[in-house]
Amino acid sequence: AQSVAQPEDQVNVAEGNPLTVKCTYSVSGNPYLFWYVQYPNRGLQFLLKYITGDNLVKGSYGFEAEFNKSQTSFHLKKPSALVSDSALYFCAVRDIGYGNNRLAFGKGNQVVVIP
Amino acid sequence: SQTIHQWPATLVQPVGSPLSLECTVEGTSNPNLYWYRQAAGRGLQLLFYSVGIGQISSEVPQNLSASRPQDRQFILSSKKLLLSDSGFYLCAWSVLRTGSPYEQYFGPGTRLTVT
Repeated sequence: AQSVAQPEDQVNVAEGNPLTVKCTYSVSGNPYLFWYVQYPNRGLQFLLKYITGDNLVKGSYGFEAEFNKSQTSFHLKKPSALVSDSALYFCAVRDIGYGNNRLAFGKGNQVVVIP
Repeated sequence: SQTIHQWPATLVQPVGSPLSLECTVEGTSNPNLYWYRQAAGRGLQLLFYSVGIGQISSEVPQNLSASRPQDRQFILSSKKLLLSDSGFYLCAWSVLRTGSPYEQYFGPGTRLTVT
């Protein structure tokens, strides 16, 4: 089955510093990868996706992610973190074992941006 | 543009009472629809998904059920709630189309507390 791993429970970063949230994947075939963000008591918001093409994907709110096939990673990045970026971040991968209709989500990473 | 609605936003129900949560999608047709539960902590658990009217796939055997009486309506139900049913319930939709494969878009969620 397709899966993603988010190895860190929480990421703490000072405001203005670069932010990185890590994700590694395990798939058979071509990976379709996604990042979502969740603010407290809200639904998940789609940030960006990698399907094919350029390994650097740009998304919403200044976020970008780098697809690295040799390291099977898809880390989320932001050059300068804001306090408002404090939220829960989920990595996800298309789960091809179920008629292409499902996503497999990681456990989530709590990001805390310190003023 | 597409919009997804969930109601109620919050719900407090006693153990043994019935449950009905509703999700509707606007601005798209024939979407795939999903119900997730997010327990305290953070992980997402896929409960049900549907690829069409009356077509429901159950992922986890439990005392919950789902129905899709109309193309853009998805209902989560229970005849008798358990304490363990408490959590944050999220509805999501997706449509397979060129350029936007597989990503899911989430509703605002329903916070259910079973007392």
